[in-house]
Amino acid sequence: GIQVEQSPPDLILQEGANSTLRCNFSDSVNNLQWFHQNPWGQLINLFYIPSGTKQNGRLSATTVATERYSLLYISSSQTTDSGVYFCAARRISQGNLIFGKGTKLSVKP
Amino acid sequence: DGGITQSPKYLFRKEGQNVTLSCEQNLNHDAMYWYRQDPGQGLRLIYYSQIVNDFQKGDIAEGYSVSREKKESFPLTVTSAQKNPTAFYLCASSIDRRGIIPQPQHFGDGTRLSIL
Repeated sequence: GIQVEQSPPDLILQEGANSTLRCNFSDSVNNLQWFHQNPWGQLINLFYIPSGTKQNGRLSATTVATERYSLLYISSSQTTDSGVYFCAARRISQGNLIFGKGTKLSVKP
Repeated sequence: DGGITQSPKYLFRKEGQNVTLSCEQNLNHDAMYWYRQDPGQGLRLIYYSQIVNDFQKGDIAEGYSVSREKKESFPLTVTSAQKNPTAFYLCASSIDRRGIIPQPQHFGDGTRLSIL
């Protein structure tokens, strides 16, 4: 099946810093999503981005499908950005998302 | 409010006992999914259903069972055959119809299951 790898596994930032999270996937996909899991376990949809670039406030994402990677950018980070960021991809002709192991982000005040 | 409701938030199971986790959605989504998350790990698929009265095993289906009698409901039973059931369980749903591009999955708030 498809492999989804995220880097880095852990990231510690000072409030106000910018960061880039990476997601590599091993096969062609028709669905790629970024999620933020908060400390209470809630999984929040950030982006549905099988290709192209999207922006939502301080967050943006880019997926280059032909090169099989996606990037999540966080600018001017805040302590509320802390948590685990997951990338998940769905291979063409398959029904389910495959999740990476996540990037744990800690933003210090 | 439209959304996905999981209940209960916390559940405790005794040895040898079956327990059922509830997942209800009012988004009129066709597909529903159950995932398991262990500490420090990503989500792994247990079962999914694309239409009523039909479901498929995911990567870790052993020790679990599901039913899909109604479009809005997809309960998960953790049976006594599941030897390590302590985990965080998440339910999701999505629009998933033949001929349209895949749509994003939306998640409930999860159920934490522990062994007594």
